[in-house]
Amino acid sequence: TQLLEQSPQFLSIQEGENLTVYCNSSSVFSSLQWYRQEPGEGPVLLVTVVTGGEVKKLKRLTFQFGDARKDSSLHITAAQPGDTGLYLCAGKDMEYGNKLVFGAGTILRVKS
Amino acid sequence: EAGVAQSPRYKIIEKRQSVAFWCNPISGHATLYWYQQILGQGPKLLIQFQNNGVVDDSQLPKDRFSAERLKGVDSTLKIQPAKLEDSAVYLCASSLDPGLNEKLFFGSGTQLSVL
Repeated sequence: TQLLEQSPQFLSIQEGENLTVYCNSSSVFSSLQWYRQEPGEGPVLLVTVVTGGEVKKLKRLTFQFGDARKDSSLHITAAQPGDTGLYLCAGKDMEYGNKLVFGAGTILRVKS
Repeated sequence: EAGVAQSPRYKIIEKRQSVAFWCNPISGHATLYWYQQILGQGPKLLIQFQNNGVVDDSQLPKDRFSAERLKGVDSTLKIQPAKLEDSAVYLCASSLDPGLNEKLFFGSGTQLSVL
């Protein structure tokens, strides 16, 4: 059972465009993380959000945790080719002993 | 700071053969994870170690998969015998503290192809 649903599955945009990817669940998470994974490499942690409604910014990336701690979004402003990769959200689900569960990811391709 | 080291990077075997993967976590990291990532999916936890003890192996197919972490440092994951559906990337990750703000550091993974 996929606890975390990510959308869209695939996104191809031009350099300079803005985009938002989503991570949704029916479960409540004690914390939620976003990772970026490049081909042939392991995921790299971008951010951890813990509080409902929390917003964190990392340069051109803005992360938001839903008020009910069931969903999250990642917004990228003025996307660059270097942003290309697989974006994974992962949550610690209280119903599953706070084990980290990953979504299937959004593949982002930014064309120059 | 050295990252998580994994070997080999690639492995091709025939079904029913055996294979082993090795992981050296970041020095001082007590928690070690093995994940399986099938193409098009997110990583799926196979086993979690805290030092040299198993914390969670509920999703490890124990009839064919085994893992150990002797002395609480390096770890090996073995598959015997392999099936076609075991084709995936096997990722090792380590962390300092498995709390809410846990930060996992992943290795580059071992890509396994079972023919």
